[in-house]
Amino acid sequence: AQSVAQPEDQVNVAEGNPLTVKCTYSVSGNPYLFWYVQYPNRGLQFLLKYITGDNLVKGSYGFEAEFNKSQTSFHLKKPSALVSDSALYFCAVRDRGSTLGRLYFGRGTQLTVWP
Amino acid sequence: NAGVMQNPRHLVRRRGQEARLRCSPMKGHSHVYWYRQLPEEGLKFMVYLQKENIIDESGMPKERFSAEFPKEGPSILRIQQVVRGDSAAYFCASSPVGEGGKNTEAFFGQGTRLTVV
Repeated sequence: AQSVAQPEDQVNVAEGNPLTVKCTYSVSGNPYLFWYVQYPNRGLQFLLKYITGDNLVKGSYGFEAEFNKSQTSFHLKKPSALVSDSALYFCAVRDRGSTLGRLYFGRGTQLTVWP
Repeated sequence: NAGVMQNPRHLVRRRGQEARLRCSPMKGHSHVYWYRQLPEEGLKFMVYLQKENIIDESGMPKERFSAEFPKEGPSILRIQQVVRGDSAAYFCASSPVGEGGKNTEAFFGQGTRLTVV
């Protein structure tokens, strides 16, 4: 069965400090990996994805994520956090070998960046 | 190019009433997915539709829930005889057509927040 784990419900960082939001997954075969962000009362916005190639993926708003196949992880990172980054972050996977395109989501991590 | 459009944004229904949620995918997208977000939980897959076809409904509750994506018009998620446990945010996402669309990101609407009173 496919599953995604985000082990931290909350992450708190000071503005200007680096941030990491963790994600591990369990998928048969090689997955497609995604990060989405959700602001209050809004839909999900796409941040970045890993399809193939370089394990370090760069995305929107200065975010990046590192794919680690041996650890089945896809942690989201940003070198210098902004207060405006405060939001709910979701990691998601899609089974590369399936003809169905459904996403499996983690429970989400609430990121709070304080000034 | 308008994004994924969902309406209404907020919907209040009394127990036993019907709820109809609408989703218009992005232009050129013929794959639609519905997800449900319960409080303090991640998004859970409900159903995957293409025009006039239900492809995967493995996440749909067996009773009271149905979905369609007609040849013309938006996709509809229908909940009959709503109960308080149906209160949630319902999100629609669309993807481009074809197998190659698997590696593309899904585009999400802003959701419909259903409250059952």
